[in-house]
Amino acid sequence: DAGVIQSPRHEVTEMGQEVTLRCKPISGHDYLFWYRQTMMRGLELLIYFNNNVPIDDSGMPEDRFSAKMPNASFSTLKIQPSEPRDSAVYFCASSPGLAGGPQETQYFGPGTRLLVL
Amino acid sequence: GNSVTQMEGPVTLSEEAFLTINCTYTATGYPSLFWYVQYPGEGLQLLLKATKADDKGSNKGFEATYRKETTSFHLEKGSVQVSDSAVYFCALGSYGNNRLAFGKGNQVVVIP
Repeated sequence: DAGVIQSPRHEVTEMGQEVTLRCKPISGHDYLFWYRQTMMRGLELLIYFNNNVPIDDSGMPEDRFSAKMPNASFSTLKIQPSEPRDSAVYFCASSPGLAGGPQETQYFGPGTRLLVL
Repeated sequence: GNSVTQMEGPVTLSEEAFLTINCTYTATGYPSLFWYVQYPGEGLQLLLKATKADDKGSNKGFEATYRKETTSFHLEKGSVQVSDSAVYFCALGSYGNNRLAFGKGNQVVVIP
């Protein structure tokens, strides 16, 4: 299995531009998670999906952020408009089952390093 | 709510030294506990896990024992290598709550 695939690996953009991050989860995994990692705040869960349906988006910082999962093999995280404080590494992860259950391990992608100038 | 606390600050040690990274947790019910490792420029990957009290997770020479009485899950390795240099995250998951609670992570630097 190729693991969780994210693209692009690096993104540099200017303030005000739209940014779209992409994720392909591991086939057969029912859960997909988007995280953000910064030095100041550590690893933060932004949103997660179960069977393509958003379950908890309480970690999404503000309305500039949106996430979709149109099918089981693809998800996007969009920032519009982007701001310098959005600079971070964004990780996508997928899991076959519920946390605390027998298939709870989350598998992380390599991340997208975003720099907003 | 669920939370994980890791010891503050980076850890620097010499090759073949003994490594301990402390992790304590707060949770309701019977959580599962994890250690994830992040190598430079990569995503997190599961290092080991334990799903019930007194279980010991082990992988690549690392071990951690789920201690319910002390609410701890400390990570240990008897003889570290330069290739163990990475950031280590303790995490907790409980049934019905799909949010894994991560600690802030500890940077480990192993010097030859």
